[in-house]
Amino acid sequence: GQNIDQPTEMTATEGAIVQINCTYQTSGFNGLFWYQQHAGEAPTFLSYNVLDGLEEKGRFSSFLSRSKGYSYLLLKELQMKDSASYLCAVRPDAGNMLTFGGGTRLMVKP
Amino acid sequence: SQTIHQWPATLVQPVGSPLSLECTVEGTSNPNLYWYRQAAGRGLQLLFYSVGIGQISSEVPQNLSASRPQDRQFILSSKKLLLSDSGFYLCARQVGTGNYEQYFGPGTRLTVT
Repeated sequence: GQNIDQPTEMTATEGAIVQINCTYQTSGFNGLFWYQQHAGEAPTFLSYNVLDGLEEKGRFSSFLSRSKGYSYLLLKELQMKDSASYLCAVRPDAGNMLTFGGGTRLMVKP
Repeated sequence: SQTIHQWPATLVQPVGSPLSLECTVEGTSNPNLYWYRQAAGRGLQLLFYSVGIGQISSEVPQNLSASRPQDRQFILSSKKLLLSDSGFYLCARQVGTGNYEQYFGPGTRLTVT
């Protein structure tokens, strides 16, 4: 089976940095995705990692360690609009499917 | 354009009634398409995916079914809804053949009463 774990909820302060962790145990690995989902809306793509290391994209960065089955999403200079759920997803094999974690609901407070 | 249309946007249906949710996509032909369900405050559960007309794979046994009558049309159906079918239904398409990113439609919020 596929297992992807994320914290259920996190709270952070506007202007701060927050790290959202994701650990996975899957039958294989062919890439990891992070999505942002505001309440009542569809998920939108944030980042993709397939090799170990850090991928930076503006205020958001995503890190991957394949040997540890671990990724994190780093959000810098938090803004109120960053309050959302963040979904970690893994492509476990060479097929066309993604397996999603339960998501982390981030609340940014003034 | 990767635009995905879903309708209706919201739906309230009684237990035991039928269901039909429609998804249509624009852009490149023969896209891989997916139906997901998201219960309140939860992650995404893959229900069905399709790699072409008439080709449907089911991931979770349940009272739902899917069909793909046209290249850019994907339909989710049920003959008799259950209370547990309530949720946010999302249609998605695979974006290209590079990293296998999926792009999501706006979703349909279904409440079964």
